[in-house]
Amino acid sequence: EAGVAQSPRYKIIEKRQSVAFWCNPISGHATLYWYQQILGQGPKLLIQFQNNGVVDDSQLPKDRFSAERLKGVDSTLKIQPAKLEDSAVYLCASSLDGRMNSPLHFGNGTRLTVT
Amino acid sequence: GDSVTQMEGPVTLSEEAFLTINCTYTATGYPSLFWYVQYPGEGLQLLLKATKADDKGSNKGFEATYRKETTSFHLEKGSVQVSDSAVYFCALSAQGGSEKLVFGKGTKLTVNP
Repeated sequence: EAGVAQSPRYKIIEKRQSVAFWCNPISGHATLYWYQQILGQGPKLLIQFQNNGVVDDSQLPKDRFSAERLKGVDSTLKIQPAKLEDSAVYLCASSLDGRMNSPLHFGNGTRLTVT
Repeated sequence: GDSVTQMEGPVTLSEEAFLTINCTYTATGYPSLFWYVQYPGEGLQLLLKATKADDKGSNKGFEATYRKETTSFHLEKGSVQVSDSAVYFCALSAQGGSEKLVFGKGTKLTVNP
């Protein structure tokens, strides 16, 4: 089966600019996650979708970050305006239904550098 | 809140050496525990998991046992190979069935021939 697809692979922007990342989960996976991985740290959950509804966005900095999952398939994560501390790898993951025995499949991530 | 603490890296070993990467956790209730691996240039992959106390997860020669009394889930392998060079992440999923994961900081392993 095809894996989780993310684009772009790399992005460099200046602070205060905006940026968007795209994720296409594995076909049929209802649950989609966005994680932020800062260099030297483990991934941190930003937002979790179940189909096109938000399950958990408690750690999403909503003043600058937004995410949507229209039609319950693809998802986009946007940052506007970006700050230096947003430099990180943004990982998208999907699972069949978000339950205990439904493993997460991760994409290769988008590496964002904010200068 | 829930948290995971891993041993600091990097770890450098010779081929066929014994590997231990320590992981301890703090969580309310009874979390599920995971080890994920990230090979160079690739995405995170599930290596093994355990869902209840005393369970042993195993895969590709790696093992980890869920120890509730010591709140630990240490990763071990008896004989590492060069191809095991990667970053290893310990993670937990809180009680409730969600796969929403809390990760440790990761431990980079380099195996030399």
